[in-house]
Amino acid sequence: KNQVEQSPQSLIILEGKNCTLQCNYTVSPFSNLRWYKQDTGRGPVSLTIMTFSENTKSNGRYTATLDADTKQSSLHITASQLSDSASYICVVSAKNTGNQFYFGTGTSLTVIP
Amino acid sequence: NAGVTQTPKFRVLKTGQSMTLLCAQDMNHEYMYWYRQDPGMGLRLIHYSVGEGTTAKGEVPDGYNVSRLKKQNFLLGLESAAPSQTSVYFCASSYSSRQGQRNEQFFGPGTRLTVL
Repeated sequence: KNQVEQSPQSLIILEGKNCTLQCNYTVSPFSNLRWYKQDTGRGPVSLTIMTFSENTKSNGRYTATLDADTKQSSLHITASQLSDSASYICVVSAKNTGNQFYFGTGTSLTVIP
Repeated sequence: NAGVTQTPKFRVLKTGQSMTLLCAQDMNHEYMYWYRQDPGMGLRLIHYSVGEGTTAKGEVPDGYNVSRLKKQNFLLGLESAAPSQTSVYFCASSYSSRQGQRNEQFFGPGTRLTVL
């Protein structure tokens, strides 16, 4: 069964600290993996996309990694800011299934001053 | 370029009432989707469309109907609302999957629906 699991479910960190969010998936055949940021009351916005051949992708203070062998991805946030408080969602798409997307339940991140 | 817009933003219905949620995109995307998001659950696909005049069922289609009469619009209808349909509804659009990385989904701001 194609599934995407994220951990932790929620996280609270101090402003300026780093954190890492995890995503494990069983989606096959794998096409790509995206990390989305969803601010409260808004729709998700794409942060990064990674295909099978990529193992690291950065977007400012956000760095995503992908290990296609173990089917794991992580999102590392450096020098966190209050505006990073949001839900981070891992989404995996499969090949040959039209536009079938598999969503994780998200990690709720709270950055406190 | 407004991206993906949804109307209304909020709505309260009584059980048994009907309503239509409107989604519009101005990016000329072929694919459009309707999701619902409930606490503690990932986004779940209700219906989707791969082009004007076509629709297909997603993971949780019961109680909903959709129409895609124009490429830029995707309507989600609730014929007889039930309390279980209380949720936040998101519309999204994307290029086709054949475009590889161009299958990024762009989401609307959501519609918060409460059914009493």
